[in-house]
Amino acid sequence: NAGVTQTPKFQVLKTGQSMTLQCAQDMNHNSMYWYRQDPGMGLRLIYYSASEGTTDKGEVPNGYNVSRLNKREFSLRLESAAPSQTSVYFCASTLLGTGGDTQYFGPGTRLTVL
Amino acid sequence: AQKITQTQPGMFVQEKEAVTLDCTYDTSDPSYGLFWYKQPSSGEMIFLIYQGSYDQQNATEGRYSLNFQKARKSANLVISASQLGDSAMYFCAMREGNQNMFSGGYNKLIFGAGTRLAVHP
Repeated sequence: NAGVTQTPKFQVLKTGQSMTLQCAQDMNHNSMYWYRQDPGMGLRLIYYSASEGTTDKGEVPNGYNVSRLNKREFSLRLESAAPSQTSVYFCASTLLGTGGDTQYFGPGTRLTVL
Repeated sequence: AQKITQTQPGMFVQEKEAVTLDCTYDTSDPSYGLFWYKQPSSGEMIFLIYQGSYDQQNATEGRYSLNFQKARKSANLVISASQLGDSAMYFCAMREGNQNMFSGGYNKLIFGAGTRLAVHP
């Protein structure tokens, strides 16, 4: 099992450009999450999907959209990138209803917006 | 209000010694979960240990143990017999709410700012 995979690993954008970050998990998890990590800070939740077909805003959703394409895949889109969105983005997944419901993280995407 | 507080921006420890990383939390929800993650310099987030609010005993996973003091709202991570490979950032996180997959907002993790641990030979 690959666990949680993210593409791309690195990306540089110019202000105003758009892009989609891809996330997939092969653990048959029902819930998926997108976080961002800024220097010197912990992770902050952008959007989450409790189950296939549902998405909800997290703590810092402005400037982002998400799509839960199917049970495996959850994408994050930046429609018009801004320098404030320079960050490391992590996707995570979990199987709700199990003891502990630990979130497992992908390797991250390092995004720089110039 | 800050929900998860890690008051130690940086810690260092000698190899083979034990170290405690502090974490305090704030919640009015009787049901919650506490997690510790490790982030090495390579950047990935590695799950270490979990403690549920109703668990009677402190969680342990190998060299990691969680010193859970519910009344004080603290969930400190203890690493015994430190190794050079333990050098990393460590994050405490909290999940509020019950395990109901149909309730909105469930299982959102709130992270602390992290503690950077350096293990010296």
